[in-house]
Amino acid sequence: GAVVSQHPSWVICKSGTSVKIECRSLDFQATTMFWYRQFPKQSLMLMATSNEGSKATYEQGVEKDKFLINHASLTLSTLTVTSAHPEDSSFYICSATSLGTSGSSYEQYFGPGTRLTVT
Amino acid sequence: AQSVTQLGSHVSVSEGALVLLRCNYSSSVPPYLFWYVQYPNQGLQLLLKYTTGATLVKGINGFEAEFKKSETSFHLTKPSAHMSDAAEYFCAVSRYNTDKLIFGTGTRLQVFP
Repeated sequence: GAVVSQHPSWVICKSGTSVKIECRSLDFQATTMFWYRQFPKQSLMLMATSNEGSKATYEQGVEKDKFLINHASLTLSTLTVTSAHPEDSSFYICSATSLGTSGSSYEQYFGPGTRLTVT
Repeated sequence: AQSVTQLGSHVSVSEGALVLLRCNYSSSVPPYLFWYVQYPNQGLQLLLKYTTGATLVKGINGFEAEFKKSETSFHLTKPSAHMSDAAEYFCAVSRYNTDKLIFGTGTRLQVFP
C-alpha cells in the first residue's frame, strides 16, 4: 500500500506555455500534499504545502501566480506551471501524507517525480 | 527553525567497506530525522527515520543511523557497501512525522569494485 503517482513522468514544453503536473495517492487518502523542486545535482526545496479544500501555503520566494496548486480531493493535487520559461526546467516531486488508514502507516510518501524541460 | 548539514557532497568507498554518511541538524524543537535514497531520475525512498524512543534506528538494505542529541547528529552507516548502494542520499528533518521536510544538500555515494 501507500503509493503515490505523478503524471506525466516527463514533459517538454515551449517557453510561454503552461504545464500541469498531477500527484495522486493511489491507495490512501491524503489530507496534505507537499510539492518539492529539485535542480540538477541539488537538493529538494519545498515549494508549497497543499491541503485538501483550502488554498496552498507557499514557501518564501515561490511565486503563487506562477506555480498554481490545486488540491481538489483527498487523492489528487495538481501543480500548474504557468507561462513556463527555461529557468523553470527542473525535477518536481510531490509527497502525500497518509492518515494511517487503509493499511498505510502514518507518514509521508513520495511520488516518482516529473521532469520538466522548457525549451 | 530547522536545518540540516550534510558533510561531504561525495563519498567513495570500496565494495565491502564501511559506509559513513554524515548529517548534523539544527532544530528548536525535538526533531524527527530521516534518511532518504534517490536513484537517478527517480523519486525518494525512505531508508529509515527517527521519531522518538530508541536512538539507534535500523532501516532497509542494512543501513542504520544513530540519533545523538548531544552532538546534534544523525549519521548513516552500513557495515559493508554493495555496488547497488551507489546513489544520492539525503538527510532531512521535520517537526513531526508528516510535516514538511527540510533536506540537506545530499551526498553522492560511489562504490568501487
